[in-house]
Amino acid sequence: SQKIEQNSEALNIQEGKTATLTCNYTNYSPAYLQWYRQDPGRGPVFLLLIRENEKEKRKERLKVTFDTTLKQSLFHITASQPADSATYLCALDLTGGGNKLTFGTGTQLKVEL
Amino acid sequence: DTGVSQDPRHKITKRGQNVTFRCDPISEHNRLYWYRQTLGQGPEFLTYFQNEAQLEKSRLLSDRFSAERPKGSFSTLEIQRTEQGDSAMYLCASSPLSGALNTGELFFGEGSRLTVL
Repeated sequence: SQKIEQNSEALNIQEGKTATLTCNYTNYSPAYLQWYRQDPGRGPVFLLLIRENEKEKRKERLKVTFDTTLKQSLFHITASQPADSATYLCALDLTGGGNKLTFGTGTQLKVEL
Repeated sequence: DTGVSQDPRHKITKRGQNVTFRCDPISEHNRLYWYRQTLGQGPEFLTYFQNEAQLEKSRLLSDRFSAERPKGSFSTLEIQRTEQGDSAMYLCASSPLSGALNTGELFFGEGSRLTVL
């Protein structure tokens, strides 16, 4: 069966450390993989997109890797801040056309002072 | 550009009643999507439109659900004879068609939270 797995338990880290979130998938061959941030009671907000032929993408303090052999994406936030506390969702775009996304369940990140 | 707008933000209804949600996408976006999200889960795809054409519907979208985008601008999602299992956040998103404007990202609204008593 097709599955997208993200850490189900909340990730608690100290301010200034690097947070690493994992997205594993099975029985999918996504063209693109995206990461979104979602705050409680709000809609998801796009962060980064990485294509199947890309290994790594960076944006400010964010870095995403994409390993299509391992079927895994890692999402890193360096120099984390309390304001980074949120739920982070990975999403697969199977066609690359942006027609629809298949989301994981999300990982809740808490950055403590 | 005011982003994707959804109305109402919250709706409480009794089982068996009909509800309708409205979504106004970003004005130059041709594609419009509806997702449903329950507590602790990621958004689940329901349906999407390209202009006024509904191009795909999920099996999650039962006969009680209908979505329209009559003029290719705003969209409505109606749920008839609501059930307690319909309680969820209904999210609308939009994106431009493929091309220079399309970075692949979806622009989500703040959602309409439905509670069925």
